[in-house]
Amino acid sequence: SQQGEEDPQALSIQEGENATMNCSYKTSINNLQWYRQNSGRGLVHLILIRSNEREKHSGRLRVTLDTSKKSSSLLITASRAADTASYFCATDFQGAQKLVFGQGTRLTINP
Amino acid sequence: DAGVIQSPRHEVTEMGQEVTLRCKPISGHDYLFWYRQTMMRGLELLIYFNNNVPIDDSGMPEDRFSAKMPNASFSTLKIQPSEPRDSAVYFCASNPSGRPYEQYFGPGTRLTVT
Repeated sequence: SQQGEEDPQALSIQEGENATMNCSYKTSINNLQWYRQNSGRGLVHLILIRSNEREKHSGRLRVTLDTSKKSSSLLITASRAADTASYFCATDFQGAQKLVFGQGTRLTINP
Repeated sequence: DAGVIQSPRHEVTEMGQEVTLRCKPISGHDYLFWYRQTMMRGLELLIYFNNNVPIDDSGMPEDRFSAKMPNASFSTLKIQPSEPRDSAVYFCASNPSGRPYEQYFGPGTRLTVT
């Protein structure tokens, strides 16, 4: 399976701290995306990084991609209670439209 | 824009009954995806359509599952007969051709089969 694996499965930090989540995948990709899912809701797209990019920023989010290690990380700086959610990485499958999602990291921000 | 709309939001049914889940994608989006999410298996792609045509149904678990997209603004996922192991949250997502990989998800339908 090409399914990505997130690490850690769960992360609990204090508000204001930085949160780092990692994702590993198995086969070559064209791009990797990160999504957020609040409890009881659908997934929301956060950021996409292409295979020829190494780092990308969007507001308090920073994503890195290391294609040699087949891994990516998502950093959320200055975390807020509203960042409490599950975070998923997703990779394209053989260049097709379909995405393969990891199992997710459940992030809890404590006030 | 209303986003992707799914109905019903919750469905409770008895084993053996037919279940139909509905989805309205975002207007102008050419791709529509059906996913199933469970604690054990995570988020699984069941089937996706492009311009109303099924492209890949390799994720459909078995013949009890079927999906249709009769027009650009409506899709259904049907389970007949339903079984307790079908209990999950079913998501519909869509994306436009211009941005092929950024998918927009609906709120999901929580299905419970007793």
